[in-house]
Amino acid sequence: NAGVTQTPKFRILKIGQSMTLQCTQDMNHNYMYWYRQDPGMGLKLIYYSVGAGITDKGEVPNGYNVSRSTTEDFPLRLELAAPSQTSVYFCASSNGVSRAKNIQYFGAGTRLSVL
Amino acid sequence: QQQVKQSPQSLIVQKGGISIINCAYENTAFDYFPWYQQFPGKGPALLIAIRPDVSEKKEGRFTISFNKSAKQFSLHIMDSQPGDSATYFCAASDDYKLSFGAGTTVTVRA
Repeated sequence: NAGVTQTPKFRILKIGQSMTLQCTQDMNHNYMYWYRQDPGMGLKLIYYSVGAGITDKGEVPNGYNVSRSTTEDFPLRLELAAPSQTSVYFCASSNGVSRAKNIQYFGAGTRLSVL
Repeated sequence: QQQVKQSPQSLIVQKGGISIINCAYENTAFDYFPWYQQFPGKGPALLIAIRPDVSEKKEGRFTISFNKSAKQFSLHIMDSQPGDSATYFCAASDDYKLSFGAGTTVTVRA
């Protein structure tokens, strides 16, 4: 059972370049999330989606874009990469059945450096 | 602004000892409080969770204590083992989004 799969695992970008971080889940979950993790800061929500075609901003959306054309996939797009986007990015999903059972399952992360 | 404040940032405990991590929140609408465990190079994984209608929940060596009036909750790791060395995050939710604490790195010395 693959769960949540993120690619690539590592990437180095130059300032101003663009890239897409891929995320796919095989649990048929409606809810998907993108977080960034910086040392000593915990996880900050970038964007989330409650189903195909529906996305919304989280706490730190600036500099990022998302789309959700299928239940399985939730790519995160970085346009004009900046050093401040150097971080570890995690994708997560949950079935959203009830708040009390809102277990989020995380991928292994993408470590991104912008130089 | 951190909606969930977590302390300490790191702690070291001897094998067999007790690790205690504390979290505090302000938003009284929060009604779900999970703890996530993260090993180096991996994504966080749910460890244990509690709802505010109970004051304590225990699963094996892990216990959450919850104080609704003080808006505080804590994780106790009993009989800490080297395999418990990881980063622990508390979180809180009032919908389907989670607000995470800053994390506590726990090191268990053999």
